Amino acid sequence: DAGITQSPRYKITETGRQVTLMCHQTWSHSYMFWYRQDLGHGLRLIYYSAAADITDKGEVPDGYVVSRSKTENFPLTLESATRSQTSVYFCASGGLGWPINIQYFGAGTRLSVL
Amino acid sequence: SQQGEEDPQALSIQEGENATMNCSYKTSINNLQWYRQNSGRGLVHLILIRSNEREKHSGRLRVTLDTSKKSSSLLITASRAADTASYFCATGSISGNTPLVFGKGTRLSVIA
Repeated sequence: DAGITQSPRYKITETGRQVTLMCHQTWSHSYMFWYRQDLGHGLRLIYYSAAADITDKGEVPDGYVVSRSKTENFPLTLESATRSQTSVYFCASGGLGWPINIQYFGAGTRLSVL
Repeated sequence: SQQGEEDPQALSIQEGENATMNCSYKTSINNLQWYRQNSGRGLVHLILIRSNEREKHSGRLRVTLDTSKKSSSLLITASRAADTASYFCATGSISGNTPLVFGKGTRLSVIA
């Protein structure tokens, strides 16, 4: 299927565990992004990637690790999950740079850290 | 940190009425975009307006941009229950080489 898919859609884990959220896009967009969405904070950028093997920190990168070995995949890892990382995580892909910087979002992963 | 701030935070209207949402931002931009998010779903791009444009239309959507006031508005005409969603503005930097910055959104409820 064309588009951007995230997995899993829902995840419950315990504090201290490692969790990896997956993101896959079929458009061959060069840029990919990870956001978290929390009530009262809106959408906050965690990390983004301009291409394979190129990643940059966003607004809230602490506690997260990303990698991008292939253009179509951009996994997000919580190395040691904390309760404050309970959130809804969105992956997006798109262009960056005038005039094309529209972003296309996945359906999200709802993560609960107990 | 948020660049765009939407106003109001929440809006409730009757079906058939017009809905207006505003977005203010702080730094110079090269474009401003509006996205919609239905409950439990990801954001969907609605419309993009460039910094040299003042108004843009797409179906029932009308977007205005006032760069002197650093503000934008999104008007949805003849609202439908299906328009119930959160609406976010996002700004693109002048350089075009940094990610979009999203506001916190306006939650619109359209009552049938």
